[in-house]
Amino acid sequence: RKEVEQDPGPFNVPEGATVAFNCTYSNSASQSFFWYRQDCRKEPKLLMSVYSSGNEDGRFTAQLNRASQYISLLIRDSKLSDSATYLCVVNMENDMRFGAGTRLTVKP
Amino acid sequence: ETGVTQTPRHLVMGMTNKKSLKCEQHLGHNAMYWYKQSAKKPLELMFVYNFKEQTENNSVPSRFSPECPNSSHLFLHLHTLQPEDSALYLCASLELNTGELFFGEGSRLTVL
Repeated sequence: RKEVEQDPGPFNVPEGATVAFNCTYSNSASQSFFWYRQDCRKEPKLLMSVYSSGNEDGRFTAQLNRASQYISLLIRDSKLSDSATYLCVVNMENDMRFGAGTRLTVKP
Repeated sequence: ETGVTQTPRHLVMGMTNKKSLKCEQHLGHNAMYWYKQSAKKPLELMFVYNFKEQTENNSVPSRFSPECPNSSHLFLHLHTLQPEDSALYLCASLELNTGELFFGEGSRLTVL
């Protein structure tokens, strides 16, 4: 089983759509969780951390379910600029492991 | 504007060459990472250094040799590479308080 698994994608959605990404992780001792965004031919950048209580940043909502070892990212009212690859990241004692990423394309 | 700088940005080398990738960060972070990103594959963790000590070697072949002379600099020495080693090599440093990784722009390596 892969350490971090994500929806394979790609997701192609119209502007204004709501889209959800899922991620599961295998190590129950994992300590912290993140979503990163990577634009084409660019380095990954932090989108948001994921907290146990769930957290929201504008149109983005992240959820964590430790019992199910599951993380999600919800994007509401998609914009063209949201087109990118979204990477789920799991950390245990500074060992930061990435999922394969899910490609999102938002179309006019 | 990234606080992590990688050089060279592009490198083409033969299988018998020896070259090095360099990473430099001036963010005051004490943990630094090498990742490999191949086409259609996830980011693969290669090495982790905490306070200049290597704390993770993710079963990387010995033809890749990391060096961390101080907390601001990280090198990846390359020798007798294979064509399948062609990839984007990303360096990152970790902000311990937030857990955020700051990446360089990467060194794109092509092995002929």
